[in-house]
Amino acid sequence: DSGVTQTPKHLITATGQRVTLRCSPRSGDLSVYWYQQSLDQGLQFLIQYYNGEERAKGNILERFSAQQFPDLHSELNLSSLELGDSALYFCASSVVSETYTQYFGPGTRLTVL
Amino acid sequence: QKEVEQDPGPLSVPEGAIVSLNCTYSNSAFQYFMWYRQYSRKGPELLMYTYSSGNKEDGRFTAQVDKSSKYISLFIRDSQPSDSATYLCAMSEAGNMLTFGGGTRLMVKP
Repeated sequence: DSGVTQTPKHLITATGQRVTLRCSPRSGDLSVYWYQQSLDQGLQFLIQYYNGEERAKGNILERFSAQQFPDLHSELNLSSLELGDSALYFCASSVVSETYTQYFGPGTRLTVL
Repeated sequence: QKEVEQDPGPLSVPEGAIVSLNCTYSNSAFQYFMWYRQYSRKGPELLMYTYSSGNKEDGRFTAQVDKSSKYISLFIRDSQPSDSATYLCAMSEAGNMLTFGGGTRLMVKP
């Protein structure tokens, strides 16, 4: 157990809908990262927040957005969902911003029907 | 062409064998090199990390980085059935945004 929690574990929704994925980092970690893992694209970095502020952005779609709250938990919002958005979404956390020592949560499996 | 290439396998070996897992990359700015292990339906778990070129050993695991060839390796000695998982290499320029390989599925048979 990495200490990173993610809810929900599974999410099934329809095309065009909007969902919110939640992540609680390890105690003491200030940085949160979001990744998407799909069969065809593998594990891809989406976005990073550090102490409430956006720090780095990867190949995140405009339909996706994220934020980190004062208590350091983070939410990833996915809107206008498409079939291709079906994937595992992982959150990772670390103590500092520029570190390769990222601890991954168990993931949220999103299925878009 | 992807920035990081990794043979997807599966790689099947008998228990006790030495396993060699490899990745190649194209971005010469990568400085941090990591190996993650991912069991089915679980989050990736950091196994090894190295900075720049060189070797690093941790128990049964050895990581090697050859920046001149843009090639990294992970060796597992005395492989165990519990090592059966997908192994992902990851790389980073600054240490935060990780770029992953596609993963190699390893099966260690008793």
